[in-house]
Amino acid sequence: KQEVTQIPAALSVPEGENLVLNCSFTDSAIYNLQWFRQDPGKGLTSLLLIQSSQREQTSGRLNASLDKSSGRSTLYIAASQPGDSATYLCAVTGIKAAGNKLTFGGGTRVLVKP
Amino acid sequence: SQTIHQWPATLVQPVGSPLSLECTVEGTSNPNLYWYRQAAGRGLQLLFYSVGIGQISSEVPQNLSASRPQDRQFILSSKKLLLSDSGFYLCAWDRGQAYNEQFFGPGTRLTVL
Repeated sequence: KQEVTQIPAALSVPEGENLVLNCSFTDSAIYNLQWFRQDPGKGLTSLLLIQSSQREQTSGRLNASLDKSSGRSTLYIAASQPGDSATYLCAVTGIKAAGNKLTFGGGTRVLVKP
Repeated sequence: SQTIHQWPATLVQPVGSPLSLECTVEGTSNPNLYWYRQAAGRGLQLLFYSVGIGQISSEVPQNLSASRPQDRQFILSSKKLLLSDSGFYLCAWDRGQAYNEQFFGPGTRLTVL
């Protein structure tokens, strides 16, 4: 059974510092990995999708890497801003999973202090 | 462009009452549709998914059911709500292939009293 873990559960940094968020998964047989952002009381916003054949994806200040063999992904957010404060979730689509089921990590709650 | 709607946004219901949550997707056809629940301290859990009209797969046994009466409409229902049904319900869609990105709706906050 696929398990996804995000450590730490919470993170506080001063504005301007780079953010590094970690995600690990137990079964490397995945189609892709997705990073999401969730603001309090809101739905999930997709940030980046990395296919299993890719090593990284970039969008603006965001960069996500994927090391499928070791079951790890890292989301980097450069020059953090208070508006980056949110919960960040990673999720994988497993090859063995029924449908295109996403298996989520527990999330990392980020606070960027001005 | 594609958009996904959920309603209602919030709902407070007594134990034992029925439930109907609706999700619709615009701007695409033949999407896969999903219902997830996010409960406090328990993360996001897939409840149901559908690959076509009338085709529903359940991921976990529970007090809820789902239906897909139209291509872009997904409904979550219950005949009698339990306290444990409280949570944040999220609908999502993708284009059907395993490598596709999933997109989520704004969610419905359900409180069962």
